[in-house]
Amino acid sequence: GAVVSQHPSRVICKSGTSVKIECRSLDFQATTMFWYRQFPKKSLMLMATSNEGSKATYEQGVEKDKFLINHASLTLSTLTVTSAHPEDSSFYICSAAWTGGPEAFFGQGTRLTVV
Amino acid sequence: GEDVEQSLFLSVREGDSSVINCTYTDSSSTYLYWYKQEPGAGLQLLTYIFSNMDMKQDQRLTVLLNKKDKHLSLRIADTQTGDSAIYFCAERLSNAGKSTFGDGTTLTVKP
Repeated sequence: GAVVSQHPSRVICKSGTSVKIECRSLDFQATTMFWYRQFPKKSLMLMATSNEGSKATYEQGVEKDKFLINHASLTLSTLTVTSAHPEDSSFYICSAAWTGGPEAFFGQGTRLTVV
Repeated sequence: GEDVEQSLFLSVREGDSSVINCTYTDSSSTYLYWYKQEPGAGLQLLTYIFSNMDMKQDQRLTVLLNKKDKHLSLRIADTQTGDSAIYFCAERLSNAGKSTFGDGTTLTVKP
């Protein structure tokens, strides 16, 4: 299958700082990228959908000013957690898909810990 | 709205077959997926089935789809200890592109 690289895999940051997570599709052009948050022993919660060159569409209840998503190219999307707080600590996963294709490929996830 | 449900746990002996079940509510689902997640890792796409298919087989994996009952299953033949993981069922609607996931089934394979 196609490869999606997510970086960093782990990050620890201080409360009040911002953290950027990158999601790259390495061998295909991702017209759409999805950002998920996964709580312990829970399913994935979709946070937002981003299409290249457009503003991200956020799910209900997700603060767009806190979770900034940029999809500047067909191979890169970034999620910036601004003014992070301990309750933002979680596992964040991106996935990438192309228009009309059935598959969505996932990155390896980023474990964010805010102290 | 969309809803996907799975049983939370399954335990089998090595060499047996595992069957993980999933039900979904939205009849307009175009694709249905099975993903595998190992501890601390992202999701690995195992297989998917188009909604007009009844069955799909890929090596040790067999997916059965009963569209009338909105029931999806994943059968793993000759289950190995390396198959221990969380398995997620997901549906993708044709008009949105986003997927809805079940809560995951934790498969434990005992030697």
